[in-house]
Formats: sequence, structure tokens, C-alpha cells
Amino acid sequence: AQSVTQLDSHVSVSEGTPVLLRCNYSSSYSPSLFWYVQHPNKGLQLLLKYTSAATLVKGINGFEAEFKKSETSFHLTKPSAHMSDAAEYFCVVSDRRGAGNMLTFGGGTRLMVKP
Amino acid sequence: AAGVIQSPRHLIKEKRETATLKCYPIPRHDTVYWYQQGPGQDPQFLISFYEKMQSDKGSIPDRFSAQQFSDYHSELNMSSLELGDSALYFCASSFFTSGVYEQYFGPGTRLTVT
Repeated sequence: AQSVTQLDSHVSVSEGTPVLLRCNYSSSYSPSLFWYVQHPNKGLQLLLKYTSAATLVKGINGFEAEFKKSETSFHLTKPSAHMSDAAEYFCVVSDRRGAGNMLTFGGGTRLMVKP
Repeated sequence: AAGVIQSPRHLIKEKRETATLKCYPIPRHDTVYWYQQGPGQDPQFLISFYEKMQSDKGSIPDRFSAQQFSDYHSELNMSSLELGDSALYFCASSFFTSGVYEQYFGPGTRLTVT
């Protein structure tokens, strides 16, 4: 079984300050991990992915995440927040155990960016 | 680049009616997934198809059925609709055969049951 826990349901930062969105996962297999972003009333956009290559993964819009197996974590960071980063962020795990490849979503973290 | 297409984008139905949602995956993608996202909730996996065969099943009610056709598009059929079925329904696709595990999501169909 696989599961994802996003440790903060809401994060508020000031524009220009660093962003840290925390995620811990549980997986019986070698997992693939993803971060998706969802702006209000919009679909889900892939920010970045980890699939057993480099543990530090760079994504779009300046975001990156580090896979730490010993801590079962995959935290999302960005050095400097922008107003347009305000959205809901989902940490997602997939076991890659077959063609099913279902995604399991974390509960989401709402990022608010103050001017 | 081509994206996942979902239709309709918005749908309003009454209780006990039926609804059909359509999904057109990215060209050459062989796997389609359906997710349901209730208000203020994270997306929940419903069902997936690989090469037109059901490959995985999640929390899909028995009132719902789905299939993938020869052109790889998929349809989610929902019968005896209930108020609780009001949600955003996402379709996603991936090219599993190539080892591309990330799923690309469509814009979603917002279903409102009154």
C-alpha cells in the first residue's frame, strides 16, 4: 500500500521569501514521486517528478524537490516566492508496480503568498 | 503540444439521471486514468485502462462504469446520479509502454447534480 502525508494544510509566505512544502510518503515498492500544482478552478499541472534517477529534482517555475529515502520525504522548495505561486500543491506517489500505476495524492497544501 | 481533452467541461444533471464524460488522451499515450475530486478534497483514483483493458480499480461506485475504445479515448458512464457525485472529474493519460510514468491531466469536467 502507498500513502502520502502533506504535513501542512496551509503555508503562508511573503513574496520574495523561500517556500517549503513538506511531504512524507509510504510505499511498499520503489516509488515514483511527483508534485502537482492546481490553481483555482484549474486542472492539475505537473511541477516535477522523481523516478529513481537524481535525488535532487528540478521542476518548472524554479521549484525543486529532494528525495530522501532515509527520511521517506520529498519536500518541495523554491528560493523566492512569487505571487503567481499561490495555489494548491499536491504531493503524489505511484508504486510503478504495473500498468495500473495509480496515483495516490496527499491532502494538499494551500500556498498563500503575501505582497 | 497536444494535451488531454475532456468533454464536456461543465455538466449539470438532476438526481437519478445518467451522465457520460469523455476523455481524449495525448496522442500515442496508451493508458488512461479517471479521478474524482470533491469540493475541497484531493483527487481520488477511480479506474484506469491500459491498451483498452481495465488495469486498476479504485474507489469507483458500482453505478459508474468506464471503458477505453480502440482509438484510446475513454468514457466514464455514471448512472443513478446522487448529489454526492457533484465533483470535478479528471482524466489523465500516460505512455506506460515507454516507461513514462507521469500522468498528464486534462482540465476536468465539473459535474453538478441538483
